[in-house]
Amino acid sequence: DVKVTQSSRYLVKRTGEKVFLECVQDMDHENMFWYRQDPGLGLRLIYFSYDVKMKEKGDIPEGYSVSREKKERFSLILESASTNQTSMYLCASSLIGGAYEQYFGPGTRLTVT
Amino acid sequence: AQSVTQLDSHVSVSEGTPVLLRCNYSSSYSPSLFWYVQHPNKGLQLLLKYTSAATLVKGINGFEAEFKKSETSFHLTKPSAHMSDAAEYFCVVNPGTYKYIFGTGTRLKVLA
Repeated sequence: DVKVTQSSRYLVKRTGEKVFLECVQDMDHENMFWYRQDPGLGLRLIYFSYDVKMKEKGDIPEGYSVSREKKERFSLILESASTNQTSMYLCASSLIGGAYEQYFGPGTRLTVT
Repeated sequence: AQSVTQLDSHVSVSEGTPVLLRCNYSSSYSPSLFWYVQHPNKGLQLLLKYTSAATLVKGINGFEAEFKKSETSFHLTKPSAHMSDAAEYFCVVNPGTYKYIFGTGTRLKVLA
């Protein structure tokens, strides 16, 4: 059974803290994605990676960075968390090519106080 | 520019009646199209996808969608709603790049 896992389901952090969200996939997919999901806005792409150490900015990269040191692992980093980064964060992976579906993790609900 | 419009943010149906969730897209290329479902506090699960083969696509849990190029639509249907279908549904288009473009979602409510 294919699987994308995320390190935490729920996370509460304080403003200014550095936050790490980790995602692991076991499908040998080249592509990995980080989205944030907010009510009424759908999913918005933060960053995308198509290979180890390769990354591309998505639609809303400000305030975030990413790391992909191994093919199966893609980390999202909030350098200095702010309250407007309170959201649901979803990781996904896929094979290369737009015809392939994405597989999603269960999400991390992050609250920044 | 590519875009996806889900025409209804909320849809309510009675159990046992048909479901129609509407999706229109805009794409300069021959796109791939997907429908995903998200149950509360869960990730997204693929229901079905269209990738330039048959225009009527069958998915899981009795859902279907028809690709209509002339109308640029990819509406999701199910003949008979079940209580377990209550969830949020996302229409997604990919024009052939890494970028998947998501609609804003339709929340389906099923009434007993």
